Amino acid sequence: GENVEQHPSTLSVQEGDSAVIKCTYSDSASNYFPWYKQELGKGPQLIIDIRSNVGEKKDQRIAVTLNKTAKHFSLHITETQPEDSAVYFCAASKGSSASKIIFGSGTRLSIRP
Amino acid sequence: GAVVSQHPSRVICKSGTSVKIECRSLDFQATTMFWYRQFPKQSLMLMATSNEGSKATYEQGVEKDKFLINHASLTLSTLTVTSAHPEDSSFYICSAVSGTASTDTQYFGPGTRLTVL
Repeated sequence: GENVEQHPSTLSVQEGDSAVIKCTYSDSASNYFPWYKQELGKGPQLIIDIRSNVGEKKDQRIAVTLNKTAKHFSLHITETQPEDSAVYFCAASKGSSASKIIFGSGTRLSIRP
Repeated sequence: GAVVSQHPSRVICKSGTSVKIECRSLDFQATTMFWYRQFPKQSLMLMATSNEGSKATYEQGVEKDKFLINHASLTLSTLTVTSAHPEDSSFYICSAVSGTASTDTQYFGPGTRLTVL
């Protein structure tokens, strides 16, 4: 089955700097890669996703890149702000409506003022 | 759009009792919903896939007789933890799938924190 590895487990960056979180997946059939942000005591919130037919997607300060050959994808957050502090999860799925999402282990991002 | 709600948000029960958690898609219909549990500082672990009008599919190691799932309509799935014990204490999260087969997205509920005394 699919296995998603995520690094780093914790990340601390200065406010205004960029943060990068990297994930790898094992199943070449996976074609949908969402990223979720989870704040303490809340459910995960979808922040951006990418499908295998594109290599990069951007939404304001957030961007995701996908390298299908290497089976890895990354989340980039620029101009970080205190409200970006949270746990971020990458995930992989085969993308149909009945497909399971397999989560990475999570990255706890802290933004230093 | 694509809002998923859960009820209750927090529940405390005595050991041996049963607890029902509801998951609703508020502004879309979801033929498929998923149930996860999350322990502190850990990732989400899929428990089961809930399909409207059919039996749920459970992940390996998840007891179907202990975690009863009913997907009675296109907007409601319920998870019942039967004969709860302290080790069942966890954060339970549901998700619902919105969209077509080629563009579907999972949206998550806010979670239910279960504490079994």
